[in-house]
Amino acid sequence: NAGVTQTPKFQVLKTGQSMTLQCAQDMNHNSMYWYRQDPGMGLRLIYYSASEGTTDKGEVPNGYNVSRLNKREFSLRLESAAPSQTSVYFCASSALTGYNSPLHFGNGTRLTVT
Amino acid sequence: QKEVEQNSGPLSVPEGAIASLNCTYSDRGSQSFFWYRQYSGKSPELIMFIYSNGDKEDGRFTAQLNKASQYVSLLIRDSQPSDSATYLCAVDMEYGNKLVFGAGTILRVKS
Repeated sequence: NAGVTQTPKFQVLKTGQSMTLQCAQDMNHNSMYWYRQDPGMGLRLIYYSASEGTTDKGEVPNGYNVSRLNKREFSLRLESAAPSQTSVYFCASSALTGYNSPLHFGNGTRLTVT
Repeated sequence: QKEVEQNSGPLSVPEGAIASLNCTYSDRGSQSFFWYRQYSGKSPELIMFIYSNGDKEDGRFTAQLNKASQYVSLLIRDSQPSDSATYLCAVDMEYGNKLVFGAGTILRVKS
């Protein structure tokens, strides 16, 4: 049982380059999320998808786009990377819609933008 | 005031002692409270969650809620070196439409 799988684990980009972070879950969860984690700032929500076919902005959506490809997969795209997007990115899923259901996290992607 | 605040630590306790971690939150209407453990370089993993209807004990871990003072605690009994990690508190806000994480408390258990 893989849980939440993210790829890649590490990535280095130059300013202005684009990339897509992939996330898939095999727990049949309805909701999926993308967070970023920066030192001293905790986890901040970028985008979320309450259910298949819907996506909504979180706290820090600027510079990102998402696609909920199907119930299993939720991708995060950086169209033109900036050094401020250097961070650790976590994908998460939860069984229920809404924030009263525990989150299950993937292993993270460490992104550096130079 | 931050929505969810935690003392960054590090909190150092000897092996076998009780570690007490606290988290304060700003929204009086919060109903769901989560504690995650995060080892260095790893992803957060859920330890416990409680709802506003009461405290919870699971093995060596106890989560306690004080709604009047708006804080939630995590007690770790018989602390082990393997408990050394960052502990993240998360609280739902705005009638369950938002989940806010604290920045975490670093716990170090000395053998």
